Amino acid sequence: EIVMTQSPATLSVSPGERATLSCRASQSVSVKLAWYQQKPGQAPRLLVYGPSTRATGIPARFTGSGSGTEFTLTISSLQSEDFAVYYCQQYNDWPRTFGQGTKLEIK
Amino acid sequence: EMQLVESGGGLVQPGGSLRLSCAASGFTFSSHGMHWVRQAPGEGLEYISAIANNGGNIYYSNSVKGRFTISRDNSKNTVYLQMDSLRVEDMGVYYCARGDYGRFDPWGQGTQVIVSS
Repeated sequence: EIVMTQSPATLSVSPGERATLSCRASQSVSVKLAWYQQKPGQAPRLLVYGPSTRATGIPARFTGSGSGTEFTLTISSLQSEDFAVYYCQQYNDWPRTFGQGTKLEIK
Repeated sequence: EMQLVESGGGLVQPGGSLRLSCAASGFTFSSHGMHWVRQAPGEGLEYISAIANNGGNIYYSNSVKGRFTISRDNSKNTVYLQMDSLRVEDMGVYYCARGDYGRFDPWGQGTQVIVSS
């Protein structure tokens, strides 16, 4: 099973600033990596996959990058609605696996 | 608009059973694999089961293998998760999601499963 490790566990950033979230895979997942956003009481929502293609309706301030074992989700100019928990997920191998999440909180 | 709506969650005693349903609309259900992901209270996401578009290939995580059964009825645009021999550690919110080349989009709103005596 591929283990996905996200860092940091919690990230405190001020509105308007940039946030950088990291995700590392225990073995190569090529470019088969997706990012999800989850707000309290809501289901996760697909943000970015492949790893730099934004899902339908996702603003351009969300940018994914990386390949192999190292991936990054960058959110430029944070908006109030961006404060949430973010999960990475690999889909290169079975079982599909998620990282443990990064909580993005308001500084 | 693509939509997934789960139902069937509730309170059950340890050792009991529940059958979750996930009704799909807004897309060609029979063309997509379907997946179940759960989230224990205050925890992250755990991938537990998948079924191919035609029901031919099925996957279970080790944590539910032998106790849970996934199935689908393409004539009803619905995927099911039969959960038997439930344990306290099975408690959480269960989400269904459409599979699209391995990524999940969209997700249902989730259904709560509580396992308690």
